[in-house]
Amino acid sequence: GAGVSQSPSNKVTEKGKDVELRCDPISGHTALYWYRQSLGQGLEFLIYFQGNSAPDKSGLPSDRFSAERTGGSVSTLTIQRTQQEDSAVYLCASSLGPGRNRFGYGYTFGSGTRLTVV
Amino acid sequence: DAKTTQPPSMDCAEGRAANLPCNHSTISGNEYVYWYRQIHSQGPQYIIHGLKNNETNEMASLIITEDRKSSTLILPHATLRDTAVYYCIVRGDNFNKFYFGSGTKLNVKP
Repeated sequence: GAGVSQSPSNKVTEKGKDVELRCDPISGHTALYWYRQSLGQGLEFLIYFQGNSAPDKSGLPSDRFSAERTGGSVSTLTIQRTQQEDSAVYLCASSLGPGRNRFGYGYTFGSGTRLTVV
Repeated sequence: DAKTTQPPSMDCAEGRAANLPCNHSTISGNEYVYWYRQIHSQGPQYIIHGLKNNETNEMASLIITEDRKSSTLILPHATLRDTAVYYCIVRGDNFNKFYFGSGTKLNVKP
């Protein structure tokens, strides 16, 4: 597609429930990233995919968080047993991949999913 | 990735140039300087990046000091729509993630 698409745009869930957030990257972008942004804060890195593998999961805050990517395209971020501190905007970004900086390609971000845990 | 330091907020009059500073004194030789901005309720938007030469595109200019320890993003004629949080980030060529700090909240005023 023309841009990075995320769904849903807004999600309200009850504490303890599981949620799935979806990201459709730009076609042909091999690298995909998940970030989250709590209210008034900067972006916090969660996980990075190159193709379907995740060489860097260092930002996942707990084992309640997991992510997968299939077909080198769509990615799903799953949060199990949600807690109130999980409330944030979850942003997905894609890029042509590492080592492409010299061609001027940064990330393209989606508009995010606003998750509210009540 | 090297850390960056930016002022938390700045004001700019509409039509004037906005000069947003960033310090990155621990930058290493293979790290690029990137600038993104985030308009309220939207995802961050790429603006410009550079290694050591000054860069210009349709959105902005990037001035990097000779020692590369600081840089300035210049929006030549700021408009109200440029009101956003501006993030300065440094990143190596093969690094797989950015570290976003708190950025600079630019307020463009009429």
